[in-house]
Amino acid sequence: AQSVTQLDSQVPVFEEAPVELRCNYSSSVSVYLFWYVQYPNQGLQLLLKYLSGSTLVESINGFEAEFNKSQTSFHLRKPSVHISDTAEYFCAVMPLDTGGFKTIFGAGTRLFVKA
Amino acid sequence: GAGVSQSPRYKVAKRGQDVALRCDPISGHVSLFWYQQALGQGPEFLTYFQNEAQLDKSGLPSDRFFAERPEGSVSTLKIQRTQQEDSAVYLCASSRYSGRADTQYFGPGTRLTVL
Repeated sequence: AQSVTQLDSQVPVFEEAPVELRCNYSSSVSVYLFWYVQYPNQGLQLLLKYLSGSTLVESINGFEAEFNKSQTSFHLRKPSVHISDTAEYFCAVMPLDTGGFKTIFGAGTRLFVKA
Repeated sequence: GAGVSQSPRYKVAKRGQDVALRCDPISGHVSLFWYQQALGQGPEFLTYFQNEAQLDKSGLPSDRFFAERPEGSVSTLKIQRTQQEDSAVYLCASSRYSGRADTQYFGPGTRLTVL
């Protein structure tokens, strides 16, 4: 069975500081990896994804995540956060096994950016 | 264009009642997913449709849960004889194609409270 662990339930950080949101997963098969974001009073939206190729993937708003196969991690980072980055972030995996379409989500990390 | 819409946005049911939750995906999207999100948790996969075919229902928690998408567009998630543990936000997502790497677009969810 697959699982996703987000190690921090809440991360408070000051504006313009760097941040890392940690994600580890467990799977016996290869996976696609995703980060989703949910801004206050909005629906979930895809932030970035890793499918194959370069292990470093970037989003349009300055976030990046690096796939580390040996550590089974997919941590999300941003060198300088803004107030507008305040949101809940979900790490997710989609196992590439027998053709199922199940996406498995972590419990989420609430990022709170303070002025 | 319009995003994924869900109705009702809020539903209160007495234990034992049947409920029906509706999802209107983005027009032309082939794939449709249902998720259940309990308070403080990440979404949990329930089922997947490719057009009108239900290809993966491995996440449905019991035979009280039933989903359909008869014409390959609108989908309904039905829960029979609701129980308190069914209280959650039910999310619907659609994607344009049938590939597992395709971006899922989420609706705002229906918050179900079972008294």
